[in-house]
Amino acid sequence: QVQLVESGGGVGQPGRSLRLSCAASGSTFSSYVIHWVRQAPGKGLEWVAVISYDGGNEYYAESVKGRFTISRDNSKNTLYLQMNSLRPEDTAVYYCAKVIEATWLFDIWGQGTMVTVSS
Amino acid sequence: QLVLTQSPSASASVGASVKLTCTLSSGHSNYAIAWHQQQPEKGPHYLMKVNSDGRHSKGDGIPDRFSGSSSGAERYLTISSLQSEDEADYYCQTWGTGTVVFGGGTKLTVL
Repeated sequence: QVQLVESGGGVGQPGRSLRLSCAASGSTFSSYVIHWVRQAPGKGLEWVAVISYDGGNEYYAESVKGRFTISRDNSKNTLYLQMNSLRPEDTAVYYCAKVIEATWLFDIWGQGTMVTVSS
Repeated sequence: QLVLTQSPSASASVGASVKLTCTLSSGHSNYAIAWHQQQPEKGPHYLMKVNSDGRHSKGDGIPDRFSGSSSGAERYLTISSLQSEDEADYYCQTWGTGTVVFGGGTKLTVL
């Protein structure tokens, strides 16, 4: 059974940067597509970004395009989210999530890491 | 545009059944969706995938009380023999080219 554990959350100032990590265990990390999803306080789920098995393809939500970069290191079984030019509206719990093969439907979620953007 | 629509709230009594609905936008009635449960102060948890033909496949350890079905552009999550721990937010989710879409979520209150 795959397990995902996020880290790197905390308080960041507007305009500054944070990097989140998602460590995977229990399966072959390089064999699955993995996404970042976030949830602002009291709000619903919002998709953020996705990266392909080998890191060759990335897609982003319009709200983060040009500011956030998703990447992965298959040798370390780790997914990253580099968050630049932070805005207060980026305040949220950030989850990494694995998909069911041949779909983009999530079947495994991490426990989440909280990011607060505030001066 | 791919959109998923859910009622904001639902309620039912302990021991009863409830059917939650997720409606796909026009032109997307053949899409499969996933249902996710989010209990208070916890992260989301995958319940099942529901296909357009009504077939569903549940995640590991999901009780038989949870089932899925379809009709046209609607995807359903039925929970029978409701328990207090079923009180949660329920989200449907699907995907399109280069994007993932979530419904707004249904807050289920168990009376």
